[in-house]
Amino acid sequence: EIVMTQSPDTLSVSPGESGTLSCRASQSVKRNLAWYQQKPGQAPRLLIYGASTRATGVSARFSGSGSGTEFTLTISSLQSEDLAVYYCQQYNDWPPLTFGGGTKVEIK
Amino acid sequence: EVQVLEAGGGLVQPGGSLRLSCAASGFTFNNYAMSWVRQAPGKGLEWVTAFSVKDGTTYFADSVKGRFTISTDSSKNMVYLQMNRLRAEDTAVYYCAKDFTIFGVAFFDHWGQGTLVTVSS
Repeated sequence: EIVMTQSPDTLSVSPGESGTLSCRASQSVKRNLAWYQQKPGQAPRLLIYGASTRATGVSARFSGSGSGTEFTLTISSLQSEDLAVYYCQQYNDWPPLTFGGGTKVEIK
Repeated sequence: EVQVLEAGGGLVQPGGSLRLSCAASGFTFNNYAMSWVRQAPGKGLEWVTAFSVKDGTTYFADSVKGRFTISTDSSKNMVYLQMNRLRAEDTAVYYCAKDFTIFGVAFFDHWGQGTLVTVSS
């Protein structure tokens, strides 16, 4: 099973600043990685797939990068609506499909 | 518009059974895999099971293998999760999720609102 590790657990960012979230895979997942945003009380929402392709309707303020075992999600010009938990998920080697533990983004 | 809507959650005693249902609409049902993903209270996401429409194969997380089954009714665009021998650690919000890739099992572009399953005496 591929273990996905996200860091930091919590990221506190001031409005208008950028924040970078990390996701590490225990073995290479190539670029088969997705990112989700889960706002309080809501279902997850797909943000990024293929490590860097934004899903339909996702703001250009969200960008993904990386390959192999190291990935990042960058949120630029952070807004209050970005308050959420962000999860990465690998789909290269399954079952099982595996998620990271999540990074909570707080607004300073 | 793609819609995914779960139903069937509730309180069940340890060792009991429950069947969740998921109504899907707005897309060609037979082209996309469907999965169940759960989230224990205050915890992260855990993939539970997937139904591959490509060949009818089902896949399960080790934590539920042998206790849960997934099935579909393509005439009704429905997905079901039969959960048997439930344990306290199965307590979670269960999400039904549509796969993004045609005929594949990969990641999820549409999720239901979730249904809460509580296993407790």
